[in-house]
Amino acid sequence: AQSVTQPDIHITVSEGASLELRCNYSYGATPYLFWYVQSPGQGLQLLLKYFSGDTLVQGIKGFEAEFKRSQSSFNLRKPSVHWSDAAEYFCAVDVIYNQGGKLIFGQGTELSVKP
Amino acid sequence: DVKVTQSSRYLVKRTGEKVFLECVQDMDHENMFWYRQDPGLGLRLIYFSYDVKMKEKGDIPEGYSVSREKKERFSLILESASTNQTSMYLCASTGANVLTFGAGSRLTVL
Repeated sequence: AQSVTQPDIHITVSEGASLELRCNYSYGATPYLFWYVQSPGQGLQLLLKYFSGDTLVQGIKGFEAEFKRSQSSFNLRKPSVHWSDAAEYFCAVDVIYNQGGKLIFGQGTELSVKP
Repeated sequence: DVKVTQSSRYLVKRTGEKVFLECVQDMDHENMFWYRQDPGLGLRLIYFSYDVKMKEKGDIPEGYSVSREKKERFSLILESASTNQTSMYLCASTGANVLTFGAGSRLTVL
């Protein structure tokens, strides 16, 4: 069965430090890939997506992610974290391309930012 | 911007009560979804709909039903609420294969 794994449940970084959140998926082909962010008490907001083409994708708020087919990974990065980045981050895959929205989500990674 | 509105942000209900969670989107999207979010489990799909009066079960449909009488509105129904349905419920709709979420409805069942 398809699955998405985010190995880190909780990460703490200092403000201004770099960030990498890991995501691995289990699927035979290349799915559509997404990163969403959720601030406390809010719904999820799309950070970025990968459908095809350039494997390094840019998103909002200075985030980027790199798709690595050989590792079945889609890790999220940011060069310099801001206190407002503290939130929960979800990786997701869409393996049924013509039924957009039926996503499989990872368990989420909670990011804390130290001043 | 697409707006997905969940009218009830916080609800407290008693075991056995019937609960309606309403969701409205304003971008004429065909597809709408209900997810449930629990700590450590991420989001799990309850039901989805690709058109008016159409519905399909997701991964965890037990104890839930849905209604889609109009294109813009997708309702989640708990016929007899139970304590294990205490959770955050997220509605979403899709355009161009991208999900847009509402702010969520946090339900507590006592």
